[in-house]
Amino acid sequence: DGGITQSPKYLFRKEGQNVTLSCEQNLNHDAMYWYRQDPGQGLRLIYYSQIVNDFQKGDIAEGYSVSREKKESFPLTVTSAQKNPTAFYLCASSRTSGLGDEQFFGPGTRLTVL
Amino acid sequence: RKEVEQDPGPFNVPEGATVAFNCTYSNSASQSFFWYRQDCRKEPKLLMSVYSSGNEDGRFTAQLNRASQYISLLIRDSKLSDSATYLCVVNRRMDSSYKLIFGSGTRLLVRP
Repeated sequence: DGGITQSPKYLFRKEGQNVTLSCEQNLNHDAMYWYRQDPGQGLRLIYYSQIVNDFQKGDIAEGYSVSREKKESFPLTVTSAQKNPTAFYLCASSRTSGLGDEQFFGPGTRLTVL
Repeated sequence: RKEVEQDPGPFNVPEGATVAFNCTYSNSASQSFFWYRQDCRKEPKLLMSVYSSGNEDGRFTAQLNRASQYISLLIRDSKLSDSATYLCVVNRRMDSSYKLIFGSGTRLLVRP
């Protein structure tokens, strides 16, 4: 089955630790995205990648880093510089980053920083 | 002002009711419009795209008014399974690509 997987589903970390969230897709999509969702708010774009070995900052990139070494993988690192990291993190992919392309989402990772 | 605004609800309706959600967007250059559905603690999933001429998919009808920068979603004959949060989504050009801007969502509760 084609789709997007994220792991782990739940993640707990101590304040000050870096943590990496996994995102893998087997849809052969060029574009991948990372969003953050906080209660009562819409999804906000952290980083996106239009093609392998390339990525750009979204609206709230501070305190996060990404890599896109393989087409199917787009891991997100939440660093200790992120002031309020507890949130629901969603990874998405689309065939391209062009007009009208549907984004498909993974099941998300709930990160709690203690 | 948020780029995409929705009434957060919740809309609490009986089974079989017709319910309508509205959404306004501020960027007149937006060209693509969508409704996504998000169940509690799950990922968003595309419900339908919204076209200028309006479009229908079973019990769901979406309308777009570009002049007023307004999008609507109508659900007829509500089912219990329609209970979810409905996200209004528009696109915005960003360098050589497009990004999606998500509203905060409207929550729908369908009761027996």
